[in-house]
Amino acid sequence: AQSVAQPEDQVNVAEGNPLTVKCTYSVSGNPYLFWYVQYPNRGLQFLLKYITGDNLVKGSYGFEAEFNKSQTSFHLKKPSALVSDSALYFCAVRDGRGGGADGLTFGKGTHLIIQP
Amino acid sequence: ETGVTQSPTHLIKTRGQQVTLRCSSQSGHNTVSWYQQALGQGPQFIFQYYREEENGRGNFPPRFSGLQFPNYSSELNVNALELDDSALYLCASSLRTGQRGNEQFFGPGTRLTVL
Repeated sequence: AQSVAQPEDQVNVAEGNPLTVKCTYSVSGNPYLFWYVQYPNRGLQFLLKYITGDNLVKGSYGFEAEFNKSQTSFHLKKPSALVSDSALYFCAVRDGRGGGADGLTFGKGTHLIIQP
Repeated sequence: ETGVTQSPTHLIKTRGQQVTLRCSSQSGHNTVSWYQQALGQGPQFIFQYYREEENGRGNFPPRFSGLQFPNYSSELNVNALELDDSALYLCASSLRTGQRGNEQFFGPGTRLTVL
């Protein structure tokens, strides 16, 4: 079975400072990893994904994430936070092996609050 | 916006009733997945449809069923509603190719309240 852990319910960062939202995962095969963002009363919006290749993945709105296989982590980062980045962030994983259910397994989410 | 639409936006039902939720996928996408997001939780995978057949299912009972139509739109049906079925139901569309790394694009969701 696959799982995702987001250890922080909430992360507070001052505007202009770097931010990190943590994610660790567990999967049997090679992981396909995703980050999504959810604004109030909205669906999830895709930010970035790791399938294979470079461990540092760049995505939308200046976000990036670093895949670390030995630590089974996929932390979301941004060099300089904006107030508009305040939202709920979800990490998700899918087993890269074929067969079985093809859905994503999500973490519980992390509230990111950027203070002016 | 992703181009994935869902209807209705909100729905109130009573325990024991049945409900149908609808989803139109993004143009060019052939796969639809449904998720249940309870308050304060991450989305949980219900099932996925590809070529009008169920292609994978999460840990949900048979009273959760679905359909996919030739135009790739989809329905989620829930029978014998329970109070715990109250949640945001999300539909996601994607393009299924040979590998499993394609991202899913989510609609705005349907908020279901069961009284």
